[in-house]
Amino acid sequence: GQQVMQIPQYQHVQEGEDFTTYCNSSTTLSNIQWYKQRPGGHPVFLIQLVKSGEVKKQKRLTFQFGEAKKNSSLHITATQTTDVGTYFCAGLANAGNNRKLIWGLGTSLAVNP
Amino acid sequence: DSGVTQTPKHLITATGQRVTLRCSPRSGDLSVYWYQQSLDQGLQFLIQYYNGEERAKGNILERFSAQQFPDLHSELNLSSLELGDSALYFCASSVVGLADRYNEQFFGPGTRLTVL
Repeated sequence: GQQVMQIPQYQHVQEGEDFTTYCNSSTTLSNIQWYKQRPGGHPVFLIQLVKSGEVKKQKRLTFQFGEAKKNSSLHITATQTTDVGTYFCAGLANAGNNRKLIWGLGTSLAVNP
Repeated sequence: DSGVTQTPKHLITATGQRVTLRCSPRSGDLSVYWYQQSLDQGLQFLIQYYNGEERAKGNILERFSAQQFPDLHSELNLSSLELGDSALYFCASSVVGLADRYNEQFFGPGTRLTVL
């Protein structure tokens, strides 16, 4: 079945270091969304990418959508303790009448102050 | 505060029992999604309703069912509960269905279900 693989599963960094999480889909995606879930909280929408090769920035966060629309990445520059949480990607797959978001398992980020 | 409300916040029950989780979407949102989150399974999509009708189905067990009412609130019914059903259940809502481009989902605070 359709899958979205997300790596790494866990990442531990020192404050100030960069961080990147990757999503890879087995099929072409219509679009991809990124969410952040703080410990004890609920997922919060960060961004949606739609176009092939699209790059979007939100302050220290850079999101990319691959040319083939099968992979995506989230890069955080100079991490801060407020970046702690789990980052999920979710891709919208073209599956006929049963279109649904396929979620990655998330990357948990820990930041040492 | 996302504007999505879920009740109850916590639920403790025994194996074999049946429970109902309730979700009220953000005002104006027509789509409601249900997710199950457990430590070893990540965020699992269960089912989506759009304006009262089932729109998409994920990994929802036959023991689970859901519905969306005319006032757009939704209920997730879990029956014949097993220990493995213990998890955090999230409801999310969005303005439109998945067929549309702008489908940012707003998540509620979740209901933590513990099956003993």
